[in-house]
Amino acid sequence: GENVEQHPSTLSVQEGDSAVIKCTYSDSASNYFPWYKQELGKGPQLIIDIRSNVGEKKDQRIAVTLNKTAKHFSLHITETQPEDSAVYFCAASTGGFKTIFGAGTRLFVKA
Amino acid sequence: GAGVSQSPSNKVTEKGKDVELRCDPISGHTALYWYRQRLGQGLEFLIYFQGNSAPDKSGLPSDRFSAERTGESVSTLTIQRTQQEDSAVYLCASSLQGLGYTFGSGTRLTVV
Repeated sequence: GENVEQHPSTLSVQEGDSAVIKCTYSDSASNYFPWYKQELGKGPQLIIDIRSNVGEKKDQRIAVTLNKTAKHFSLHITETQPEDSAVYFCAASTGGFKTIFGAGTRLFVKA
Repeated sequence: GAGVSQSPSNKVTEKGKDVELRCDPISGHTALYWYRQRLGQGLEFLIYFQGNSAPDKSGLPSDRFSAERTGESVSTLTIQRTQQEDSAVYLCASSLQGLGYTFGSGTRLTVV
């Protein structure tokens, strides 16, 4: 069945360093790839998304890359700050109404 | 409203009791989703609504769980005869045309 694998499960970086989270998906029909950030005690929040006709998208310190051939996509956070500490979820959708989520990455940014 | 609203934010119930969790989605969002998140875990899909119908109920863990949506707006998730393993945060999300989701803050359910 459809599956999204996310790595690493935990990531610890020093403030100012970059963080990279990687996901692979199984359904080649997937064409929409959102990323969510979940802070403690809150629901996940959409932070960036990418569609399959685009290879890279940037929004200030965050960027997402997509390799459709290899069926993987990544989230890059540059110049990390303590407020970036959260759980990040990748997801993949075929454009229908079901989105498959990865298991999440807990990011710690040490000041 | 501006966001997805869930109530109550916290619920403590005794084992065996029924509970109702409410979700008010963003006005105009046709799709509505329920997820369960156990402590420190990922998002477990329960059910989604397109309008008032539920094309996919595959994630409901047992027949003790049910959900409905009325007026293409408010949704209620009902858990009958609650068990301790039902303790979790129940998250609701809505979306326009199934793309980016807007999540509520969740209902933290504790079964004692």
